Amino acid sequence: SAVISQKPSRDICQRGTSLTIQCQVDSQVTMMFWYRQQPGQSLTLIATANQGSEATYESGFVIDKFPISRPNLTFSTLTVSNMSPEDSSIYLCSVEDVGTSGFYNEQFFGPGTRLTVL
Amino acid sequence: SQQGEEDPQALSIQEGENATMNCSYKTSINNLQWYRQNSGRGLVHLILIRSNEREKHSGRLRVTLDTSKKSSSLLITASRAADTASYFCAASDFNKFYFGSGTKLNVKP
Repeated sequence: SAVISQKPSRDICQRGTSLTIQCQVDSQVTMMFWYRQQPGQSLTLIATANQGSEATYESGFVIDKFPISRPNLTFSTLTVSNMSPEDSSIYLCSVEDVGTSGFYNEQFFGPGTRLTVL
Repeated sequence: SQQGEEDPQALSIQEGENATMNCSYKTSINNLQWYRQNSGRGLVHLILIRSNEREKHSGRLRVTLDTSKKSSSLLITASRAADTASYFCAASDFNKFYFGSGTKLNVKP
């Protein structure tokens, strides 16, 4: 199963600035996903990022606010632009891979980036 | 919204007791997965059950799936204090994952 790392693990940012979060996978994967988890809430999918194509954004999320790069099959970045306190959340990247079930479709998550916007 | 519901929202039990969490979803699924999240951390994959399976075991975990009722349950037997965490189900319809609202489990030593 894929092992995923994220940088930074946490950050405190000022309103109006931008933060880029990096996601690195130890194997090549086709699909990478970015989620947001607001305090005490479940996960909400921001976008799906496939290598070589534009990211697909979910309703309520736009490219200008959350630009995503996917330069190769092991790496992706999510930028949170022009931040406001409402953007304070945990941001998680995930990938699909074969897990212990032997079934391709298990989703594995990075450790998350905890963002606080003042 | 396609997101699922979980109940209970919070569950507090004594160490050694069993914990049961339920998940309902709205879409037709290919599989359903359960995750654990310790406070403020990433999600740990626990178990995947396919849509043509009714029950699956992994160690102290037992998952059931009823596609006619669009529901699943996660049973943790002989709970331990280290099981204290939030538990989420995620229903997959081939293209996306729809996460439940989560159950916060507190296992008291």
